[in-house]
Amino acid sequence: DQQVKQNSPSLSVQEGRISILNCDYTNSMFDYFLWYKKYPAEGPTFLISISSIKDKNEDGRFTVFLNKSAKHLSLHIVPSQPGDSAVYFCAASGVGSGNTGKLIFGQGTTLQVKP
Amino acid sequence: NAGVMQNPRHLVRRRGQEARLRCSPMKGHSHVYWYRQLPEEGLKFMVYLQKENIIDESGMPKERFSAEFPKEGPSILRIQQVVRGDSAAYFCASSQGRTSGANVLTFGAGSRLTVL
Repeated sequence: DQQVKQNSPSLSVQEGRISILNCDYTNSMFDYFLWYKKYPAEGPTFLISISSIKDKNEDGRFTVFLNKSAKHLSLHIVPSQPGDSAVYFCAASGVGSGNTGKLIFGQGTTLQVKP
Repeated sequence: NAGVMQNPRHLVRRRGQEARLRCSPMKGHSHVYWYRQLPEEGLKFMVYLQKENIIDESGMPKERFSAEFPKEGPSILRIQQVVRGDSAAYFCASSQGRTSGANVLTFGAGSRLTVL
């Protein structure tokens, strides 16, 4: 029972263009959603989060959009840079994950930004 | 300002041996989470601990796996009688616990276990 799903295993975009990474979830009891970035042989690093009571959060080149009715969120990176090439994980927490603060992760999307 | 420290970074074991993975949380963090990443898969929650207590072990396999976070020292994830299917990257994360916002976990670099 995959509660958080990232259906696109990979995405390739040109430098300077927009990267859009998608994530779907099944449990309406999640109250926070987070995005992490992971380089090979390193641990995931936190990028940005959004509360379930918001529909948008922006931090520099990164914006996360939440559509609660569709149980869908997306991460937009504008403009994309070659250094953004990494695996991006969507994660959720809250009552839907037992309210212990643990994060439920999606499978990840590998982003490649071509110079 | 050390982050989450995990060791060893790489561990090779033969089937039937024991593996011990250690994790020192970030300074000021008292909540530790262990995750496993199998090849070509995402991060799967295993266990959540606070000092001397296991809070949530719903992701731990029922046999051979155990975790602790003693009053003094690092958190330990222990795998007894390892099998090839245990080969994975094991990540530890720590946090200050739930506050008013998202519980942002800070991850270590991971320990890569290879079972021959």
